[in-house]
Amino acid sequence: AQSVTQLGSHVSVSEGALVLLRCNYSSSVPPYLFWYVQYPNQGLQLLLKYTSAATLVKGINGFEAEFKKSETSFHLTKPSAHMSDAAEYFCAVRGSGAGSYQLTFGKGTKLSVIP
Amino acid sequence: SQTIHQWPATLVQPVGSPLSLECTVEGTSNPNLYWYRQAAGRGLQLLFYSVGIGQISSEVPQNLSASRPQDRQFILSSKKLLLSDSGFYLCAWSVRWGRTPGYEQYFGPGTRLTVT
Repeated sequence: AQSVTQLGSHVSVSEGALVLLRCNYSSSVPPYLFWYVQYPNQGLQLLLKYTSAATLVKGINGFEAEFKKSETSFHLTKPSAHMSDAAEYFCAVRGSGAGSYQLTFGKGTKLSVIP
Repeated sequence: SQTIHQWPATLVQPVGSPLSLECTVEGTSNPNLYWYRQAAGRGLQLLFYSVGIGQISSEVPQNLSASRPQDRQFILSSKKLLLSDSGFYLCAWSVRWGRTPGYEQYFGPGTRLTVT
């Protein structure tokens, strides 16, 4: 079964510092991977996705993620944190077989940005 | 462009009362539809998904049910709410399996349900 593990339920960074949110996946099929962001009391918004094309994926709001098959990782980064980046971030992997249209989500990482 | 609506945005209901949450999608046809629940500190839990009208699959046995009376309408219901039904309910859609499925899901704004 597909799964994702997000390391760190809470991450704090200073404004202007590098943001690094970690995600490791397990998949029995070539993975399709996603990062979503959720602001308080809102739905999830797709940040970026990996679909077996380029291993470095650029998303919205200056975020990017790199797919590393050897490390089974798909970490999310942003060079310089803004106050508006404070939110919860979820990594997800698509299912396989009959469940290939389902996503399995990690438990989320809450990002705090310190002024 | 596609949009997804959920209502109501917030709801406070007593234990034992019925529930009906509605989700509609615009700008696409034949979507896959999903209901998730987000409880504090527990991530996203997939409750139901649907690949077509009248086709509902349940992921977790519970006090809830779902229906899809129209192609772009998805309803979450309960006959008698429990305290444990409190949470943030999210509806999502994705492109139906086809030659180039995207797999990504697009989420609605959510409904905050508090059972008292």
